[in-house]
Amino acid sequence: AQSVTQPDIHITVSEGASLELRCNYSYGATPYLFWYVQSPGQGLQLLLKYFSGDTLVQGIKGFEAEFKRSQSSFNLRKPSVHWSDAAEYFCAVGGEAGGGNKLTFGTGTQLKVEL
Amino acid sequence: GAGVSQSPSNKVTEKGKDVELRCDPISGHTALYWYRQSLGQGLEFLIYFQGNSAPDKSGLPSDRFSAERTGGSVSTLTIQRTQQEDSAVYLCASSLVHPGANTEAFFGQGTRLTVV
Repeated sequence: AQSVTQPDIHITVSEGASLELRCNYSYGATPYLFWYVQSPGQGLQLLLKYFSGDTLVQGIKGFEAEFKRSQSSFNLRKPSVHWSDAAEYFCAVGGEAGGGNKLTFGTGTQLKVEL
Repeated sequence: GAGVSQSPSNKVTEKGKDVELRCDPISGHTALYWYRQSLGQGLEFLIYFQGNSAPDKSGLPSDRFSAERTGGSVSTLTIQRTQQEDSAVYLCASSLVHPGANTEAFFGQGTRLTVV
């Protein structure tokens, strides 16, 4: 069965510092991978996605993520965090093989940004 | 419509009452999900509909929860005999599913359910 692990429940960084949020997945074939962000009181918004091709994908708001098949990881990065990035971040995996394309989400990482 | 629409946006109900939550997915999207998000918690998968296939109900927490999707479009999540632990934000999402297609899920704003 497909699964997603986000090992960090909470992360605090200083504004301007770099950020990396970890995501590990379990999936029986080439996965489709996603990062979503949920700002306080807001709905979930797609940050970026990986389907195939270049393993480094660029998203909105200056975020990027790298698919590493050998590590079953899809970590989210940003070189310089802004206070407005404080939110909850969810990694998700999906695809066609076996799961009927159902998306499975991780439990989320809450990001706090210190000014 | 332009996005996934959920109604009502807020619902307060008395313990023991039944509630119905509605989701209008993006037109043409064949997949529809329901998730639950309790305060400070992650996303809890409830149910997944995909085309004419039997729904994946593996996430429904009890037999008080049920969902249907009529005509492959609108979905209703029903909670019978509500309990206080059912208080949460219920999120609906839809996606377009066929080989090679864009499969990201688009989320509604959610229904905040409070059981008193």
